[in-house]
Amino acid sequence: SAVISQKPSRDICQRGTSLTIQCQVDSQVTMMFWYRQQPGQSLTLIATANQGSEATYESGFVIDKFPISRPNLTFSTLTVSNMSPEDSSIYLCSDTTANYGYTFGSGTRLTVV
Amino acid sequence: GQNIDQPTEMTATEGAIVQINCTYQTSGFNGLFWYQQHAGEAPTFLSYNVLDGLEEKGRFSSFLSRSKGYSYLLLKELQMKDSASYLCAVYSGNTPLVFGKGTRLSVIA
Repeated sequence: SAVISQKPSRDICQRGTSLTIQCQVDSQVTMMFWYRQQPGQSLTLIATANQGSEATYESGFVIDKFPISRPNLTFSTLTVSNMSPEDSSIYLCSDTTANYGYTFGSGTRLTVV
Repeated sequence: GQNIDQPTEMTATEGAIVQINCTYQTSGFNGLFWYQQHAGEAPTFLSYNVLDGLEEKGRFSSFLSRSKGYSYLLLKELQMKDSASYLCAVYSGNTPLVFGKGTRLSVIA
C-alpha cells in the first residue's frame, strides 16, 4: 500500500486565521479523501479530492471553509479557513490504493484558541 | 442510507480474549475493514474481509457474514498495548470508506 506523508503533525492557531494541511503520496492515486475526527468521535468525511476537477464535498462542508487543491496524482492540500475553536480536530487524508487497507496520513492535530 | 453500529466501549483483562461486534446496513458492499487507532494517532489497517468467514492474522481475527450484515474482530492474548479504539468501516467500491463510531477498548491488568 501507499505511504502518505502529512504535515504539519500538529498546530495551535488563533481564531480567524487559516491553516493549510499537506499530504504527499509516494505513488499516484486517483482519489484522495479528507476526514475530520473530533475529540472522542469517529472519522467524518469532509470531501473527495479529484485531480483536475473541483473537490466533492459532503453535506455540512463547503468549499469556502475547506478549500482543497489536488494539483497532481500524488499531492493534495486542505485549508481550514477562518478558524474557530469548533474546528479543533484531527484532520486526516487517505488514499484509495488497490482494494486493501486504505492508507491514512499520520494526521494533523489542530487546536484553535 | 448508511448505518454502522458497534459498541462504544469495552473493557477486558490482560491475557483474555475479546470480541468486538459490528453490524452494518449500507447501500453497497464490497468489503469490510477493521482499523486500530491509538489516542492521538492515525488509524492503522488491521484486516479486510470480502467473503464470508474468518480471517486470522496472528492474535487478531476478523469474521464476516454478508447475509447478516455482521462482522466481528477477535483479539486473543490481550496485551496492554491493545488498548485503543477499533473502527469498523464498510467499503462500497472506489469510494470513501464509511466508518462506524468506533469501540474504545480498555485492557486492564
